[in-house]
Amino acid sequence: DAGITQSPRHKVTETGTPVTLRCHQTENHRYMYWYRQDPGHGLRLIHYSYGVKDTDKGEVSDGYSVSRSKTEDFLLTLESATSSQTSVYFCAISDTGTVNTEAFFGQGTRLTVV
Amino acid sequence: SQKIEQNSEALNIQEGKTATLTCNYTNYSPAYLQWYRQDPGRGPVFLLLIRENEKEKRKERLKVTFDTTLKQSLFHITASQPADSATYLCALPPSGGYNKLIFGAGTRLAVHP
Repeated sequence: DAGITQSPRHKVTETGTPVTLRCHQTENHRYMYWYRQDPGHGLRLIHYSYGVKDTDKGEVSDGYSVSRSKTEDFLLTLESATSSQTSVYFCAISDTGTVNTEAFFGQGTRLTVV
Repeated sequence: SQKIEQNSEALNIQEGKTATLTCNYTNYSPAYLQWYRQDPGRGPVFLLLIRENEKEKRKERLKVTFDTTLKQSLFHITASQPADSATYLCALPPSGGYNKLIFGAGTRLAVHP
């Protein structure tokens, strides 16, 4: 999976608790992304990063924050988890801006908020 | 608003036939379009990219077309096999977002022996 590791792979948490998901890459790619995938909605972009400390919002960013202090790590934090954030979360990476940019995905993290 | 539409109903075909999947988009003028395959419990895997100035792209049994007038891409798998059964996603960069990808919901393909 192109040197991308997501952790944890599965997590069950209670409503109102903070949760942090980690994405680690060994490819030295500039761009990193967090998506969530839900039935009927497909993959939706939460946040992305175009460099260390450079991040921007995606289409479903409410309730989520991200940080990127090193090229290889991109953290997604749910400040106060809600049941609507139960989902499968995918991290992706891509190389610098060329027309041939393809995204490489991690294995996903299944998060359940009870 | 910008929208990507893929057929939400599963496509069931017989082994050996050609599978054709459709991706329609509105309010986009993408510089390129990508197709991904996703197996259950796994992340999507890149298959093909086609640029706006390319009408057709081939890779082994896969063929992708890109009609910027119709705002549509067709994804063909010839001589389909049960191992081709998966969900196929199309993805586009949004306007002004060259390095982001927006995905369609995907179409599930089931190839029956």
